[in-house]
Amino acid sequence: DARVTQTPRHKVTEMGQEVTMRCQPILGHNTVFWYRQTMMQGLELLAYFRNRAPLDDSGMPKDRFSAEMPDATLATLKIQPSEPRDSAVYFCASAPPGPNTEAFFGQGTRLTVV
Amino acid sequence: DQQVKQNSPSLSVQEGRISILNCDYTNSMFDYFLWYKKYPAEGPTFLISISSIKDKNEDGRFTVFLNKSAKHLSLHIVPSQPGDSAVYFCAARSDMRFGAGTRLTVKP
Repeated sequence: DARVTQTPRHKVTEMGQEVTMRCQPILGHNTVFWYRQTMMQGLELLAYFRNRAPLDDSGMPKDRFSAEMPDATLATLKIQPSEPRDSAVYFCASAPPGPNTEAFFGQGTRLTVV
Repeated sequence: DQQVKQNSPSLSVQEGRISILNCDYTNSMFDYFLWYKKYPAEGPTFLISISSIKDKNEDGRFTVFLNKSAKHLSLHIVPSQPGDSAVYFCAARSDMRFGAGTRLTVKP
């Protein structure tokens, strides 16, 4: 049963702490997306990678957010330092090669910064 | 600048009736579009897609129409069922930036 796996599912942290969210894309998928969902913003694209290379991170606050793909089976999204306004659900999605393929989403990480 | 827009934040329909969800885009280079459905506390799930070489794609109760000249997509659900109540998002595949979503409520 191929699926995108995100960990942790829930995270509560104090303001100023570092937060790392992880995503395991579906095997064979070469494109990975990170999204943030807030009440007001809908699904906001933060960054995406193809073949582990970052293609677009224009949606990501550069001063505190960073996204990496250490290898083809792991994508990470870090926030340092975290702030209460970062509280949201963060989704990862992966897509197979090809221009017209659908992306598959993970269950998300619900982050609460207090 | 948001290139894919869903201007209706919510829609309420009666069970058995048709639901029509709309999506507009600005970039004429977009050639493949996706619709996703999202339930609370779950990730979005793929629903249906359409290529710009077509003007219609049908999958069971779901049909997506594409009007390239108007840069407009619509998702039709017929007949609507209470289980269809969710937030629906559209996106262009080459961009993967979603519209703001439309919350559909289907009343029994």
